[in-house]
Amino acid sequence: GQQLNQSPQSMFIQEGEDVSMNCTSSSIFNTWLWYKQDPGEGPVLLIALYKAGELTSNGRLTAQFGITRKDSFLNISASIPSDVGIYFCAGHTGNQFYFGTGTSLTVIP
Amino acid sequence: ETGVTQSPTHLIKTRGQQVTLRCSSQSGHNTVSWYQQALGQGPQFIFQYYREEENGRGNFPPRFSGLQFPNYSSELNVNALELDDSALYLCASSAGLAPDEQFFGPGTRLTVL
Repeated sequence: GQQLNQSPQSMFIQEGEDVSMNCTSSSIFNTWLWYKQDPGEGPVLLIALYKAGELTSNGRLTAQFGITRKDSFLNISASIPSDVGIYFCAGHTGNQFYFGTGTSLTVIP
Repeated sequence: ETGVTQSPTHLIKTRGQQVTLRCSSQSGHNTVSWYQQALGQGPQFIFQYYREEENGRGNFPPRFSGLQFPNYSSELNVNALELDDSALYLCASSAGLAPDEQFFGPGTRLTVL
């Protein structure tokens, strides 16, 4: 099945640094979503985006829905140790969901 | 309010066998979606049930089938298991079809030997 291209695959950063990750697709989506998954748990929704060009924030997280509707990015500012985990983008269109390959984030105290 | 629960937590089967995984949706939710997450990969959409009817299906063969019951709980059945079916199977429930309303369960880890 189709998976969205997500980069980088992994990141190792110092606590306090900002993080940026992005997701691209060959297909257009009506909704972009960003999730975080901790070990042994299901993904948890962080941010949902509904319109091309939309920029949305949730605390230290900011995400944008690309103008072409084929990409999205997520920024995390001033990272903290609890930001550790795997971040997934997901695109939704019709009644189909497509997830990215994930970005593994490690925050070094 | 009870969240999404899945059973069993772990399961080991052999190739060719059949398996049934179960999902109890969050209270008030009428939509359930199932995903397969292979190790190191993102979840892949298997199908969605809305008010007991299949509402969408990903690129999975017919040996993956499902049911949704009147209480909106759901089952995922996989026949003729293959080694590549080894994965974490996630269930997500929502109060409708809006994509931002899914709440995921912790998953069932299936190992096929």
